Amino acid sequence: EAQVTQNPRYLITVTGKKLTVTCSQNMNHEYMSWYRQDPGLGLRQIYYSMNVEVTDKGDVPEGYKVSRKEKRNFPLILESPSPNQTSLYFCASRSPNSGRRDTQYFGPGTRLTVL
Amino acid sequence: AQSVSQHNHHVILSEAASLELGCNYSYGGTVNLFWYVQYPGQHLQLLLKYFSGDPLVKGIKGFEAEFIKSKFSFNLRKPSVQWSDTAEYFCAVKGSASGGYQKVTFGTGTKLQVIP
Repeated sequence: EAQVTQNPRYLITVTGKKLTVTCSQNMNHEYMSWYRQDPGLGLRQIYYSMNVEVTDKGDVPEGYKVSRKEKRNFPLILESPSPNQTSLYFCASRSPNSGRRDTQYFGPGTRLTVL
Repeated sequence: AQSVSQHNHHVILSEAASLELGCNYSYGGTVNLFWYVQYPGQHLQLLLKYFSGDPLVKGIKGFEAEFIKSKFSFNLRKPSVQWSDTAEYFCAVKGSASGGYQKVTFGTGTKLQVIP
């Protein structure tokens, strides 16, 4: 089954404690993205990756890092989380060269609370 | 830069009422357009998409949307809503130029509440 998985699904942490949210897709998609969803603001892109070892900033990259060492995985790293990073995070993937099938698939989301 | 506006932030309807959710986009070239739905506690799922051809697009669960290029709009419609349609709906736009990264930009979402 084609899917994007994220772990953990829920996380409560404290300010400054480094954390990583994992994302994995099994569709061999080149493009992967991280979004955060906040009430009234919709989804905003944090980082994206066009392929292995190719990443770039999205609209709200401050306080986040990513890596793309393998095509299927795209972890999101918060080196020193702060309360303003409390949010719902979604990972997504898509294949840019698939014509009408170029559609994003989303993971189940990670709800992060930073105290 | 591309952008998407969803003017209805919260819509409340009774079951069997008709639905129309507005979506306007800003982009200087050819676009692909999407509507996603997010049921409570779940991730985003694709409702329908427009790439080219017939501007009236039919999606899952009886939803449809019409691309009106002159108005830069892609409104979502359903003739008769059900309680199970209670969800948040997101419009999204992607430039369709070839080469390079084409970002997908989302609107701020419309929360639909259907009252039985």
